[in-house]
Amino acid sequence: DGGITQSPKYLFRKEGQNVTLSCEQNLNHDAMYWYRQDPGQGLRLIYYSQIVNDFQKGDIAEGYSVSREKKESFPLTVTSAQKNPTAFYLCASSISGQQETQYFGPGTRLLVL
Amino acid sequence: GESVGLHLPTLSVQEGDNSIINCAYSNSASDYFIWYKQESGKGPQFIIDIRSNMDKRQGQRVTVLLNKTVKHLSLQIAATQPGDSAVYFCAEMLGYQKVTFGIGTKLQVIP
Repeated sequence: DGGITQSPKYLFRKEGQNVTLSCEQNLNHDAMYWYRQDPGQGLRLIYYSQIVNDFQKGDIAEGYSVSREKKESFPLTVTSAQKNPTAFYLCASSISGQQETQYFGPGTRLLVL
Repeated sequence: GESVGLHLPTLSVQEGDNSIINCAYSNSASDYFIWYKQESGKGPQFIIDIRSNMDKRQGQRVTVLLNKTVKHLSLQIAATQPGDSAVYFCAEMLGYQKVTFGIGTKLQVIP
């Protein structure tokens, strides 16, 4: 069954803690993306990667970091520098150069304790 | 996610009626548009797309209309069903490079 998965579904962060959100895809897509979704706002791009070992900042990269060591995986770390991390985080993937056809994962909800 | 719909405009429609969801986009140069459906607690799903050289495109039970003069996009859902209840949002692209997502509308189907 091809698709894109995110884990965990819910994640709790303590003050000053770094947390990592997982995103895995078996669609053989080169491009992967991380978005943040807040109530009453459109999706905002955090980071994206067009190919393994390469990634670029999106519109709201501050307080986040990513890695792309494998084609299938694009984990997102929410660092302690992100002062307002509570949000719904969505990962997506696409064929490189076909950003218009993105497949989204089910999302991870991050909550601050 | 579940709380995404709390601050959105809501459209309530009787089951079986047609739904029309509207979207105003921002960039007159955008050349590609997409409608997504997002059910509670899930990721967005592609519904239908339209290129800027078209003004109408039909899918299964859905139709997208594009009015470039007023930068307006609409999604029509025929014979709305309870399973259509979700948040719907549009996205615009410029040169197939940068995607800008709209805020969305929550569709509630009344049985």
